[in-house]
Amino acid sequence: GDSVTQMEGPVTLSEEAFLTINCTYTATGYPSLFWYVQYPGEGLQLLLKATKADDKGSNKGFEATYRKETTSFHLEKGSVQVSDSAVYFCALDTSGTYKYIFGTGTRLKVLA
Amino acid sequence: GAGVSQTPSNKVTEKGKYVELRCDPISGHTALYWYRQSLGQGPEFLIYFQGTGAADDSGLPNDRFFAVRPEGSVSTLKIQRTERGDSAVYLCASSLRGTSGNGELFFGEGSRLTVL
Repeated sequence: GDSVTQMEGPVTLSEEAFLTINCTYTATGYPSLFWYVQYPGEGLQLLLKATKADDKGSNKGFEATYRKETTSFHLEKGSVQVSDSAVYFCALDTSGTYKYIFGTGTRLKVLA
Repeated sequence: GAGVSQTPSNKVTEKGKYVELRCDPISGHTALYWYRQSLGQGPEFLIYFQGTGAADDSGLPNDRFFAVRPEGSVSTLKIQRTERGDSAVYLCASSLRGTSGNGELFFGEGSRLTVL
């Protein structure tokens, strides 16, 4: 069945460091791909998405490119801030109806 | 507030008891979703409503779980004869139409259920 694999955390970085969180997927159809973020004490929020191969999603300095050839959707940010500390979830949707399959999440901690 | 509201935020119950979890979606959103997030895992899809009807309930783990949305707005997730393995955070989400191409899914903060 369809699945999403994320790198395990926690990831601890110093402020202004470069961030990469790896995400790979297995899907039988042509999924849309998403990154969600969960800040402490808050609900999941959409960070960015890409709906077809080679699309790049971007938001708040984060980027991810839909790579069909490597079945990946890695999340990157050039310079992280303390306020980026959160849990990040990669997800796919082949149904077109938000029936997501999520990865297990990666906790990011950014130190000042 | 204008977000998805879930109550209770925390529920502790004993094995074998009945539990109801409530979700109040964003006003005007026709689609409503329930997900379950166990410790250390990502959310797992349970059920999706379009209006009053369950469009897809394939994620409900067994017949102890049931959800309703009688007026197309508020939804209740009902769990009978709770088991310790039901302990998780139950997430509700809503979207304007239920099609992910151009929209966004908005999540509530969740109801944490602990079964002793």
